[in-house]
Amino acid sequence: AQSVAQPEDQVNVAEGNPLTVKCTYSVSGNPYLFWYVQYPNRGLQFLLKYITGDNLVKGSYGFEAEFNKSQTSFHLKKPSALVSDSALYFCAVRDGSGNTPLVFGKGTRLSVIA
Amino acid sequence: EPEVTQTPSHQVTQMGQEVILRCVPISNHLYFYWYRQILGQKVEFLVSFYNNEISEKSEIFDDQFSVERPDGSNFTLKIRSTKLEDSAMYFCASTKERAPYNEQFFGPGTRLTVL
Repeated sequence: AQSVAQPEDQVNVAEGNPLTVKCTYSVSGNPYLFWYVQYPNRGLQFLLKYITGDNLVKGSYGFEAEFNKSQTSFHLKKPSALVSDSALYFCAVRDGSGNTPLVFGKGTRLSVIA
Repeated sequence: EPEVTQTPSHQVTQMGQEVILRCVPISNHLYFYWYRQILGQKVEFLVSFYNNEISEKSEIFDDQFSVERPDGSNFTLKIRSTKLEDSAMYFCASTKERAPYNEQFFGPGTRLTVL
């Protein structure tokens, strides 16, 4: 069965510093990987995804994520954090066969301190 | 930019009562989904829906749950007889195509509180 682990419930970073939100996954086949962000009282907003090809994918708001097949990871990164990046971040995976639904991690709360 | 909308934002009900959660997917999307998130836990898949039929459902989606697209715009989730453990945030999502690499677009959620 596919699964996603986000090992950190909370990540704190100072504004202007680089940030990383960790995600590891488990699927039986090739993975499709997604990052979503949730701001207070809003739905989950799509940030970026990995399908195939270049391991470094770039998404909205300056975020990027690196797919690492050997480590089964898909960590979310941003070179310089903003206070407005403070939100709840979800990693999700879907098996490439398409026969299984989207599976989410439990989320990581990012707090960027001015 | 088109958005998925959900109503109500918060629903409080008594145990055993029926509730209907409503969603309006993005207008040209064809695939619809419901997820739930119990407080402090993962977002969990409930059901997917296409062409007026359930495509997939999880083990959570038992006989107490049903979905319907009553008209060309709404997509509803009904819980027939609510239990305390149904208290959660319920998210609706939609996609234009079924391909598994397509991102899903989520609504803001309905917080269901069962007393």
